[in-house]
Amino acid sequence: ETGVTQTPRHLVMGMTNKKSLKCEQHLGHNAMYWYKQSAKKPLELMFVYNFKEQTENNSVPSRFSPECPNSSHLFLHLHTLQPEDSALYLCASSQRRVGGAQYFGPGTRLLVL
Amino acid sequence: AQTVTQSQPEMSVQEAETVTLSCTYDTSESDYYLFWYKQPPSRQMILVIRQEAYKQQNATENRFSVNFQKAAKSFSLKISDSQLGDAAMYFCAYRSAKAPRDDKIIFGKGTRLHILP
Repeated sequence: ETGVTQTPRHLVMGMTNKKSLKCEQHLGHNAMYWYKQSAKKPLELMFVYNFKEQTENNSVPSRFSPECPNSSHLFLHLHTLQPEDSALYLCASSQRRVGGAQYFGPGTRLLVL
Repeated sequence: AQTVTQSQPEMSVQEAETVTLSCTYDTSESDYYLFWYKQPPSRQMILVIRQEAYKQQNATENRFSVNFQKAAKSFSLKISDSQLGDAAMYFCAYRSAKAPRDDKIIFGKGTRLHILP
């Protein structure tokens, strides 16, 4: 595997379910990100991890819980979601240096029923 | 706070022609980085081109080039010899040149580019 991978690619869940999204980067980067992409809205940054430490939580509801066990893996744990949480969730990684570009995974398309 | 504006929600171009996507941004900083990302229908966001604000020379990557006008805070993307595979959503993005801890990249809303055969 190369680049940034995400699983699953598609997920349908009920509002009472608990599920997790997984992201893995194979680029040797040390920063990872979760974004939410909804139709006709700008990309919304959710969480930032630098060297496994969470450095940004962009006022995200507690029903989204990130986990970063190491610099290559990032999880987003989901519980009691709402239909408006349906979106494409993108993971990205970058090297923690000035001006570094972010590299994105293919995303997980989430539908909350 | 910095903002990025893409005023063209959709554009179309004939195959093999040239198209320019517009982007303007607002910042009080003098040092920063600008990016264009491409998101094809398969949804994988791909970095197209990167520009450092302290460099006057416009970045180029094969058929992709930018017109960076720092005073006007404008950063347009030119695609030459358009190909069907260029059809995608294009996002303009801004990143501060502050210490790496300031990791935010600010994205515009995107321009959907259609390529007409």
